[in-house]
Amino acid sequence: QSVLTQPPSVSGAPGQRVTISCTGSSSNIGAGYDVHWYQQLPGTAPKLLLYGNNNRPSGVPDRFSGSKSGTSASLAITGLQAEDEADYHCQSFDSSLSASVFGGGTKLTVL
Amino acid sequence: EVQLVESGGGLVQPGGSLRLSCAASGFIFSSYSMNWARQAPGKGLEWVSYISSSGSTIYYADSVKGRFTISRDNARNSLYLQMNSLRDEDTAVYYCARAGMRDWFDPWGQGTLVTVSS
Repeated sequence: QSVLTQPPSVSGAPGQRVTISCTGSSSNIGAGYDVHWYQQLPGTAPKLLLYGNNNRPSGVPDRFSGSKSGTSASLAITGLQAEDEADYHCQSFDSSLSASVFGGGTKLTVL
Repeated sequence: EVQLVESGGGLVQPGGSLRLSCAASGFIFSSYSMNWARQAPGKGLEWVSYISSSGSTIYYADSVKGRFTISRDNARNSLYLQMNSLRDEDTAVYYCARAGMRDWFDPWGQGTLVTVSS
């Protein structure tokens, strides 16, 4: 059971907008710790997608954005493309565990 | 180019030991904290251990505390994970990852598979 909760799967047609939620608690996201997002293409290692809630590393398209409110965060992908089909993971820090924590991951299917 | 390359994975029996290595290049290794994380087959990511740039601060996930030991050799630009008393549930791909300023993981290595089975 992951400390952060994500939906197991989401899907959307090319060109559509999808969102992936990441729900935590008062000891992690709700305590003000940043949320980071990773994209994991099939058979590859995770890659940093967003850091500090809504900051894109160089090379990440602006179709990807993040938000955070209360004990939850969200990843939004607009203009969905076939190459976006991947697993997406959220990550934060938990003060009660003194540990980095991840969500269970969400599989995005592009229809 | 910043690069992390893990090695040392393999098949080991329950109760056995294994030492993973992570070779870093393309950045000043001694200036960065590092992490180990793992991903069991078909599962999500799990943070395993953290070590500060000097090696003076170390943290472990409860699931590996007392069994795994993280270390680093800044002169060799290398990170290590000594894994003892291995259990079936330790089976996973193990990744090393550089720590960002506010606890993000970037970049990640390609991973090394550890299989614990009799």
